[in-house]
Amino acid sequence: EDQVTQSPEALRLQEGESSSLNCSYTVSGLRGLFWYRQDPGKGPEFLFTLYSAGEEKEKERLKATLTKKESFLHITAPKPEDSATYLCAVRPPAEGANNLFFGTGTRLTVIP
Amino acid sequence: GAGVSQSPSNKVTEKGKDVELRCDPISGHTALYWYRQSLGQGLEFLIYFQGNSAPDKSGLPSDRFSAERTGGSVSTLTIQRTQQEDSAVYLCASSLETSGVRAQYFGPGTRLLVL
Repeated sequence: EDQVTQSPEALRLQEGESSSLNCSYTVSGLRGLFWYRQDPGKGPEFLFTLYSAGEEKEKERLKATLTKKESFLHITAPKPEDSATYLCAVRPPAEGANNLFFGTGTRLTVIP
Repeated sequence: GAGVSQSPSNKVTEKGKDVELRCDPISGHTALYWYRQSLGQGLEFLIYFQGNSAPDKSGLPSDRFSAERTGGSVSTLTIQRTQQEDSAVYLCASSLETSGVRAQYFGPGTRLLVL
């Protein structure tokens, strides 16, 4: 079974304290890695798609990077509104495998 | 509305009753997915629809679960004879899956509680 592991499970940061979230996966030849943000009581909100090792995407204070075995979500100078659960998901390589495999997420709390 | 919508937002039912959950995907999106999110668990794939193709039902946990998609748009997930372990958030997502691998956009979910 394909595995997606996110770490840490929970992270508390002071406002302005930069850090990184990790997503490691055992899928080889994946067809995409996705980052989502989920606020309590809401559905996941799409952030980034990464397709190949070395690729990077940025949006405001967030930057996602991808290697052959893991992805990082870097948060620069976070603000309290960045508090949420960040989910990583992979699309397996098998043709016809249409679903995403999700990790259990990192719950980020940014303290003012 | 521009996003995926789901109804009801909350549903409380008694064990053994049937429930229907509805999803309206983003207009023009050909692919539609159902996932389940239980407390402390990652999202679990249930079923996938793409255009007029036969649905991928590989994630349905039992034959009590079924789904249909009418006219290539609205989808209904039905759970028959609900059990307490069915309590979860049921999320619907859609994507523009004409080619390549596209991001899935999620609705707000239906929170199901089986008493």
